[in-house]
Amino acid sequence: KAGVTQTPRYLIKTRGQQVTLSCSPISGHRSVSWYQQTPGQGLQFLFEYFSETQRNKGNFPGRFSGRQFSNSRSEMNVSTLELGDSALYLCASSLGTGVGNTIYFGEGSWLTVV
Amino acid sequence: AQSVSQHNHHVILSEAASLELGCNYSYGGTVNLFWYVQYPGQHLQLLLKYFSGDPLVKGIKGFEAEFIKSKFSFNLRKPSVQWSDTAEYFCAVNTNTGTASKLTFGTGTRLQVTL
Repeated sequence: KAGVTQTPRYLIKTRGQQVTLSCSPISGHRSVSWYQQTPGQGLQFLFEYFSETQRNKGNFPGRFSGRQFSNSRSEMNVSTLELGDSALYLCASSLGTGVGNTIYFGEGSWLTVV
Repeated sequence: AQSVSQHNHHVILSEAASLELGCNYSYGGTVNLFWYVQYPGQHLQLLLKYFSGDPLVKGIKGFEAEFIKSKFSFNLRKPSVQWSDTAEYFCAVNTNTGTASKLTFGTGTRLQVTL
């Protein structure tokens, strides 16, 4: 069974640009969440989607957005990139949203903003 | 809001030494607790989890953790570490008022095992 797949794995963007990251959850998983990992702030929750609806959102500015498609794939978008957005962006999936579910992480997309 | 503290930022052990990594959380209600491991260049993997029941939880690769409610702690242990255990370890929590995906993570403990 394939794990959570994220593309692209590595990318470099310039300040002010926007970026879209993609995530394919484990087959059958309907909940997708996104995290940002940086050396200074650690792992921080961005948002969660289930059935194409955002169910939860972390404390990030509106430049960070996401969406989920009917096949449970998800994308996250960061507009007007800042140097501080350089991070590893992790996608995770779970069968459902109930707290009894375990989430599984992908390998992440490394974003460098220059 | 809940928070998680991992007091050991960097731990260096020799092979066969015993390991205990501390994790404390702050939240007064019911919590679910997790330990994840991130090997160099790999994705976060679940080591073990506690939802309810026996407070001593056994995970993969010989790891275990004990939930002590009175101390708000969920320390990770392994009797004898191996070089391959070199990785970063993250403690995480979510609450029954949240959802499965909204985990609050500690800042991580980098474990280095020397031969």
